[in-house]
Parts: sequence; C-alpha cells; structure tokens
Amino acid sequence: QSSLTQPASVSGSPGQSITISCTGTSSDVGSYNLVSWYQQHPGKAPKLMIYEVNKRPSGVSNRFSGSKAGNTASLTISGLQAEDEADYHCCSYAGSTIFEVFGGGTKLTVL
Amino acid sequence: QVQLQESGPGLVKPSQTLSLTCTVSGGSISSYDYYWTWIRQHPGKGLEWIGYIYYSGNTYYNPSLKSRVTISVDTSKNQFSLKLSSVTAADTAAYYCAVVTAHKVDFWGQGTLVAVSS
Repeated sequence: QSSLTQPASVSGSPGQSITISCTGTSSDVGSYNLVSWYQQHPGKAPKLMIYEVNKRPSGVSNRFSGSKAGNTASLTISGLQAEDEADYHCCSYAGSTIFEVFGGGTKLTVL
Repeated sequence: QVQLQESGPGLVKPSQTLSLTCTVSGGSISSYDYYWTWIRQHPGKGLEWIGYIYYSGNTYYNPSLKSRVTISVDTSKNQFSLKLSSVTAADTAAYYCAVVTAHKVDFWGQGTLVAVSS
C-alpha cells in the first residue's frame, strides 16, 4: 500500500507563509474530497488541523488553510509562528478496499 | 469530548501477539457516530492506519496488515482492543487509539510505544 507523498522538510521565517504538498493518485486524493491534515509536536499525539480538504475544526487558527488540485492536496500556513514548528501529516480516504492512507509526514522548521 | 487511553505491554517478543486496549471516556463505545481506530507510527516515520471497528461490529483493516490484525469492542467496559499476531521488529512503533468520524481523526489517545525484541 503506497502512502501519499510529502516533502520531508520545509522551512520558513516568522511571518512568512509556507505550503506543504501531499501528492496521491486518482484513486485517493484525486477521487475524494476527504483529505485531512494533522499537526504533531515532538512526543505528542497528532492534532486535526484541516478536514475535507479545506475545513477547519473549531479552535484551529485561520492561518491554516487547505486546498486541492487534481491528485495533490496542499496545506498553507500563513503568518508563521514559532509554535507552528512541528511535523505535519496528510491523510486521504482511498476507497472501500484500502480505506485510509497517510503521507510520510513533513517537518516544518521555523527559522 | 471523547478521551482515550491506551494500555498494554511495552515489550513483546518476536512471533508473539501484541495486545493493546483503549479505554474510552466521555463517549459511548456503542455510539453510531464513531469509528474506533488504531493507528501506528514507526520511530521517526509517518503515520500508518491499522484499522477501525464500527459500533455494529463491522471491521475495516489495512490490507497490508489484515492477515495479522483483529480489532474488537468490549461494550461492558467501554473499551476496544487491538491484537497483532506474529510480530517482528518491524512492528516496533508507537500505537495510537483514536476516534474517526467522516474520515477524519477527531480524537487521539496519547500513544503507547511497543518494542518487539527478544
């Protein structure tokens, strides 16, 4: 079972914007608007940041936004802050045989 | 808000069965709103979905693990469990129990690290 493809790392300075990509296939990201994103600080459990491509749960900053084009989903963080430094994982529904598939995770460094 | 807590051995010998339990509070294990889920994370790696169980008892497993995985529910204790048989060093990971609704993970346990070693 192949995972979604994310860059291993991205970085940005405070106040800047960054985008993390998540590339799948026409069988997962491309077929369903069921992409979610999770933030994970070291030693902690992940936290839901975006669901259904571009929806934010209550309490998540509007600096976090999601989008999708074809087989690639993206997470954009604007106005970078030090506390945004974490690992980010994408996930997509992949149909009734495979169900859910995660990306390999991206480490965000705030310079 | 649903809260989850994993419990189980932190060390399992190769070829044995890994068994973990997740205790649920703040919500009923019999709720039709939730899929009770197990996810793991190999050290320094990304997340891997293991499978989930619905209140009806229907189970859905990662095809790559399906032959070795069993997820079950104990409604009397408001718990659900994971069994992974014939473990090897490749099964060493942090294991999370979680709640999924509409294909998003809403709540996570704190995670428990399980090492496979003789």
